[in-house]
Amino acid sequence: GDSVTQMEGPVTLSEEAFLTINCTYTATGYPSLFWYVQYPGEGLQLLLKATKADDKGSNKGFEATYRKETTSFHLEKGSVQVSDSAVYFCALRDTGRRALTFGSGTRLQVQP
Amino acid sequence: GAVVSQHPSWVICKSGTSVKIECRSLDFQATTMFWYRQFPKQSLMLMATSNEGSKATYEQGVEKDKFLINHASLTLSTLTVTSAHPEDSSFYICSASEQGPKETQYFGPGTRLLVL
Repeated sequence: GDSVTQMEGPVTLSEEAFLTINCTYTATGYPSLFWYVQYPGEGLQLLLKATKADDKGSNKGFEATYRKETTSFHLEKGSVQVSDSAVYFCALRDTGRRALTFGSGTRLQVQP
Repeated sequence: GAVVSQHPSWVICKSGTSVKIECRSLDFQATTMFWYRQFPKQSLMLMATSNEGSKATYEQGVEKDKFLINHASLTLSTLTVTSAHPEDSSFYICSASEQGPKETQYFGPGTRLLVL
């Protein structure tokens, strides 16, 4: 079946540091890949997505590239801010399915 | 962006009672709604998919008589946990989507259930 594996958190960084959150996946079809962010007390929000191999999703300074050869979709940001502190979820939607398969989430804490 | 609300945000109930959780799409019509369950430090697990006006499709291992789902309108789906037990304590999250080629799921803030 489908699965998503994320690096365990929490990840603690200083402001303006470089961020990488690793995500790898297994899927039976040709999935679309997503990163969702959950700020404290709020619902999950779509951060970025990529629908086919070599696509790069980007939003708010975050980027992730769909790497089929390594089945990865790592999230990166060049300079994090305190306001980026949240839980980040990697997810996929496999061919023919409408529901999402999620990773376990990675908590990011950015210190001033 | 589209907004999905859940009510209540948290609930405490006694073992054996039933609890209803509402999920509403506030500014769009949701042809499909999804119900997820999240255990501490674990990923969201899909429980069921509900389409407006039809029966919900449950994932393997999810008891349909235990977790009753109703999607009576394009803006409202409800999840009822019947005869709740302490092991049903969890964080329940719904999402809603419009049908279409650029379909995006919009998530509610979740409902925390504690069964005593």
